[in-house]
Amino acid sequence: AQSVSQHNHHVILSEAASLELGCNYSYGGTVNLFWYVQYPGQHLQLLLKYFSGDPLVKGIKGFEAEFIKSKFSFNLRKPSVQWSDTAEYFCAVNVAGTASKLTFGTGTRLQVTL
Amino acid sequence: GAGVSQSPRYKVAKRGQDVALRCDPISGHVSLFWYQQALGQGPEFLTYFQNEAQLDKSGLPSDRFFAERPEGSVSTLKIQRTQQEDSAVYLCASSLFGTGGGGWGGYTFGSGTRLTVV
Repeated sequence: AQSVSQHNHHVILSEAASLELGCNYSYGGTVNLFWYVQYPGQHLQLLLKYFSGDPLVKGIKGFEAEFIKSKFSFNLRKPSVQWSDTAEYFCAVNVAGTASKLTFGTGTRLQVTL
Repeated sequence: GAGVSQSPRYKVAKRGQDVALRCDPISGHVSLFWYQQALGQGPEFLTYFQNEAQLDKSGLPSDRFFAERPEGSVSTLKIQRTQQEDSAVYLCASSLFGTGGGGWGGYTFGSGTRLTVV
């Protein structure tokens, strides 16, 4: 079975600072990788996804993530955060080639201060 | 509809009571998932439907949990004899395709039902 680790539980940044949130997964086969965001009081929304091809994936709102297969990692980055990026961020995986269940990490709460 | 709709948004149940949580997926979406999200945790898989067929129920924590999707659209998650450890947000997600592949846009989540068992 697959598992996901998010090492940063709570991150506090000032506006315009750069962001990198760590995500590592464990699975013996090929996976699809996702980052979801949950703004306060809202539902989970897809930020970006990786299925295959270019390991550098660009998503909405200026976010990007890089899949490094050798490290089983899929870290999320943003060069300059905004106050409106305050949210909880979840990394998730599922088995490649299917629309099967997602396995989520425990999430990282990002707080951006003015 | 435009998104996945879940009702009720909030439910308070007395221990031992039965509850039913409803999910209206996006029209035409083949796949439907239920997840349970405890406070401070990521969502955890409960069960998966492809149309009306329940293909995976490996995440249901006990036989008190039951889900159905009789006509391949609306789904209901039922919890019998609720216990305090059932308190969580229950999320529903739907997806257009039954299997992945090119163009699959991922899942769309509903806003969830927050269940509190007292």
